[in-house]
Amino acid sequence: SQTIHQWPATLVQPVGSPLSLECTVEGTSNPNLYWYRQAAGRGLQLLFYSVGIGQISSEVPQNLSASRPQDRQFILSSKKLLLSDSGFYLCAWSVAGVGNTIYFGEGSWLTVV
Amino acid sequence: AQSVTQLGSHVSVSEGALVLLRCNYSSSVPPYLFWYVQYPNQGLQLLLKYTSAATLVKGINGFEAEFKKSETSFHLTKPSAHMSDAAEYFCAVSSSGGSYIPTFGRGTSLIVHP
Repeated sequence: SQTIHQWPATLVQPVGSPLSLECTVEGTSNPNLYWYRQAAGRGLQLLFYSVGIGQISSEVPQNLSASRPQDRQFILSSKKLLLSDSGFYLCAWSVAGVGNTIYFGEGSWLTVV
Repeated sequence: AQSVTQLGSHVSVSEGALVLLRCNYSSSVPPYLFWYVQYPNQGLQLLLKYTSAATLVKGINGFEAEFKKSETSFHLTKPSAHMSDAAEYFCAVSSSGGSYIPTFGRGTSLIVHP
């Protein structure tokens, strides 16, 4: 069966510090991968998605970047965090194609102080 | 283009009462529709999914949803609420006419009173 893991689960970082959130998927090949953000009291915001190694699409211009160095690994990064980057970050995966279910990881809480 | 609207950011019910969470979608072609549940500090979990096989879709934890094309709706129901149903619920839509990536609603928080 397929599993998805992301870490760390909780992170407190000072303004201006770097960020690295990691996500891996097991039990499938060539998945589509996604990073979402949930700010307090708001819905899901799609940040990045990837259909293959090195292929990253950005949905919202911002202080963050994503990379996919391996088929089942997706990394969310920032060189300098802003207070507004605080939120709940969710990694997700799906099989390519229309109508396929997106499966979510456990989430990572980021607080920028 | 595809979009989804969840009516009511918060729904409050008593334990044992009917749960009704509303979702309306917009899609120029037959849609795929999803309901997800999110418990506090966790990721989203799929409750059920509509793929045109049947208009009434049964999901986990006693939830079901009915696809009504004439009303462009996909409301989520459960006959009797449990305290454990308290969570955030998200409706989502994807279609071949829009993006294969599901578009999510803003979510509805279900509050269950004893």
